[in-house]
Amino acid sequence: DTGVSQDPRHKITKRGQNVTFRCDPISEHNRLYWYRQTLGQGPEFLTYFQNEAQLEKSRLLSDRFSAERPKGSFSTLEIQRTEQGDSAMYLCASSPSTGVYNEQFFGPGTRLTVL
Amino acid sequence: QKEVEQDPGPLSVPEGAIVSLNCTYSNSAFQYFMWYRQYSRKGPELLMYTYSSGNKEDGRFTAQVDKSSKYISLFIRDSQPSDSATYLCAMIRPMDSSYKLIFGSGTRLLVRP
Repeated sequence: DTGVSQDPRHKITKRGQNVTFRCDPISEHNRLYWYRQTLGQGPEFLTYFQNEAQLEKSRLLSDRFSAERPKGSFSTLEIQRTEQGDSAMYLCASSPSTGVYNEQFFGPGTRLTVL
Repeated sequence: QKEVEQDPGPLSVPEGAIVSLNCTYSNSAFQYFMWYRQYSRKGPELLMYTYSSGNKEDGRFTAQVDKSSKYISLFIRDSQPSDSATYLCAMIRPMDSSYKLIFGSGTRLLVRP
């Protein structure tokens, strides 16, 4: 399967714990996005990477959130001191950077439950 | 007020019906318009993409954009039970160099056999 993959698919944690999610984009895609989706809502943009550079962060990305994309390949999203309000589906998407517009391909998401 | 508004549904129709899904938006800077389909516990997948006002057809799906009214639609002809999913409209402002997607809240569609 050459699509976007995410790991883990599900994560249950206790409030206050740290969690880390991984995203492996489509190999030739330079752009990588993280979105968060809560129940009954559409995905909301969190952050964007062009290769290894993090070029945009949403105000939704508090100081407890950090994302990295070392070497411009896979990306990780870490949440420190999780809160119940962090419970959501975390989606990763990738796209090529050629042209004015390019389709974003989404992974299956990581569903986080904070108890 | 959200930038993109979408009726959450659920919308329940019999098999074979024509389905109409709609979104309105407030920012005229939006220039690219997409419809994504999301099955339960899956990531969204792109159905249709349009840039200009007018209609675009792909099989049973037709996307319509009216920039003057800030209104977009997705029509599904001869709906099938397999079309049961959440349909998300999404938009891009070219001024956002990231080309991040701004989504509506999604409309749940149920096609009854």
